[in-house]
Amino acid sequence: NAGVTQTPKFRVLKTGQSMTLLCAQDMNHEYMYWYRQDPGMGLRLIHYSVGEGTTAKGEVPDGYNVSRLKKQNFLLGLESAAPSQTSVYFCASSYGQGGRGYEQYFGPGTRLTVT
Amino acid sequence: GQQLNQSPQSMFIQEGEDVSMNCTSSSIFNTWLWYKQDPGEGPVLLIALYKAGELTSNGRLTAQFGITRKDSFLNISASIPSDVGIYFCAGQKKSSGDKLTFGTGTRLAVRP
Repeated sequence: NAGVTQTPKFRVLKTGQSMTLLCAQDMNHEYMYWYRQDPGMGLRLIHYSVGEGTTAKGEVPDGYNVSRLKKQNFLLGLESAAPSQTSVYFCASSYGQGGRGYEQYFGPGTRLTVT
Repeated sequence: GQQLNQSPQSMFIQEGEDVSMNCTSSSIFNTWLWYKQDPGEGPVLLIALYKAGELTSNGRLTAQFGITRKDSFLNISASIPSDVGIYFCAGQKKSSGDKLTFGTGTRLAVRP
């Protein structure tokens, strides 16, 4: 039982390049989330999904797109990377819908640098 | 967006000492969660609280859901070097659905 996994662990992009971050979970969770973590800013929600085929915007969605084609996978895309997107990106998942469903489980993170 | 206020921002303590930290908000929360993040890793869930006044332990860690539902507390007893890391609180409130609001973190350093 691997929990939440993220690929890649590290990536360096040049401004304007695109990339996709992959998140996978094997806990049969309905809900999945993408966060970014910057020094002094804590965790900020980018996009989230409440089930296969659904996505919704979070607190800081601009410059990112997401897709949830399969229940176990949640992809985060950067179409044209900017230096402001240099950050550590975390994926999380949860059962959702109340009680222990609010407990989110995080992946190990992807450290992205945009030059 | 709103962040929860965590205090203190950082602590540097001697091994064996007890540690206390808290998380406060002007809003009422229905669930409080405490996470620990080791350097270069993702946050790991330590304790979850669901009722006002609830007191829950996980080994040397004890957390409490404040009776006003606007705060939560985490205590670590007899600290050891592996307690080093950043501790985050997170809360769930009715107006945010399943989205969590995160604290800014308390960075803990332990001197052997």
